[in-house]
Amino acid sequence: DSGVTQTPKHLITATGQRVTLRCSPRSGDLSVYWYQQSLDQGLQFLIQYYNGEERAKGNILERFSAQQFPDLHSELNLSSLELGDSALYFCASSPFPRGATDTQYFGPGTRLTVL
Amino acid sequence: DAKTTQPPSMDCAEGRAANLPCNHSTISGNEYVYWYRQIHSQGPQYIIHGLKNNETNEMASLIITEDRKSSTLILPHATLRDTAVYYCIVRVRTSGSRLTFGEGTQLTVNP
Repeated sequence: DSGVTQTPKHLITATGQRVTLRCSPRSGDLSVYWYQQSLDQGLQFLIQYYNGEERAKGNILERFSAQQFPDLHSELNLSSLELGDSALYFCASSPFPRGATDTQYFGPGTRLTVL
Repeated sequence: DAKTTQPPSMDCAEGRAANLPCNHSTISGNEYVYWYRQIHSQGPQYIIHGLKNNETNEMASLIITEDRKSSTLILPHATLRDTAVYYCIVRVRTSGSRLTFGEGTQLTVNP
């Protein structure tokens, strides 16, 4: 158990819909990262938040957005869903910038299926 | 971050040591070598990381060559539960930056 929690575990929805994925980082970790894993693209970085502020963006679509709240949990919002958005979505957290290491610890993921 | 090259797949007998190689010939002086693994669609699991000295923890050992252009992850006594995709990642440790995953090595531990 990494200490990172994600809800829900599974999500099935239809094209055009909007969903919200939730992540709670490990206690004390200030940074949250979102990754997407699809069959044809592998594990790809989407976006990073540090202490409530966006810090880095990767291959995140404009239809996707995220935020980190004062209690440090984060939400990834996916809208106007398409079949190709079906994937595993992982959240990771790290103590950056504090601590002697910047190791990222991953949650169990949310499996999104768009029908 | 430096690019890494790993074999796509490897097999290992249960109870034997599994040695997973990684080439990172363009690694720079402030970049560390990290290893993660992913067991069938679970979240990636951190294993170990190092800069230039060999490292060991309760999960594995990491051997980095003197020129730092390659490394080997060693699972000393592989079990069936070690069957997973293993990712070698090179990055600056304290950058707070993203992890860039390649294709990794699918390790299959056979009974």
